[in-house]
Amino acid sequence: DAGITQSPRHKVTETGTPVTLRCHQTENHRYMYWYRQDPGHGLRLIHYSYGVKDTDKGEVSDGYSVSRSKTEDFLLTLESATSSQTSVYFCATSLAGASEQFFGPGTRLTVL
Amino acid sequence: GIQVEQSPPDLILQEGANSTLRCNFSDSVNNLQWFHQNPWGQLINLFYIPSGTKQNGRLSATTVATERYSLLYISSSQTTDSGVYFCATTQGGSEKLVFGKGTKLTVNP
Repeated sequence: DAGITQSPRHKVTETGTPVTLRCHQTENHRYMYWYRQDPGHGLRLIHYSYGVKDTDKGEVSDGYSVSRSKTEDFLLTLESATSSQTSVYFCATSLAGASEQFFGPGTRLTVL
Repeated sequence: GIQVEQSPPDLILQEGANSTLRCNFSDSVNNLQWFHQNPWGQLINLFYIPSGTKQNGRLSATTVATERYSLLYISSSQTTDSGVYFCATTQGGSEKLVFGKGTKLTVNP
């Protein structure tokens, strides 16, 4: 599997505070993705990146922003967290677009 | 957008039994993938199978893109097979994977 780490692994925060989640990969994969997983909804794509500084929106992008300043790091930012953003967030990578994806361990975020 | 339906939603087996999980799509697809999420939440890619059949140990998968479905076979199931199985695919030239809601498998000893 690709070497993918996520930080933090768990976070509790309050409504209205900014939150940044980090995804780091050591496989030199071009594509990186952020998903959220919620009961009854499965996995839904938030944003993805197809190269340094190149990003695009997914299915549930409202309230989230991303940045990718180097190949190995992909950041997900919640500018002002809301309780509806309580979820488990997964990062994934792939060598090429729509090719085999590999997932990180996930970050459990609770917004109170 | 494409709809991905998985069946059954839940499946309970005794250790040693065989099972078949199904994934149906609403339109033609490419880049079909199967994932296993273990009880601790880790997602593992099982198969990248846009068409045809692949086997990996006790697991095998078949995708018939023209008929809009894929099957995952688990033979001689073990308790470690428990978890949720997801299929996911892209459509057309899209690079975005769309996931089904998963099949929750419980294998009892």
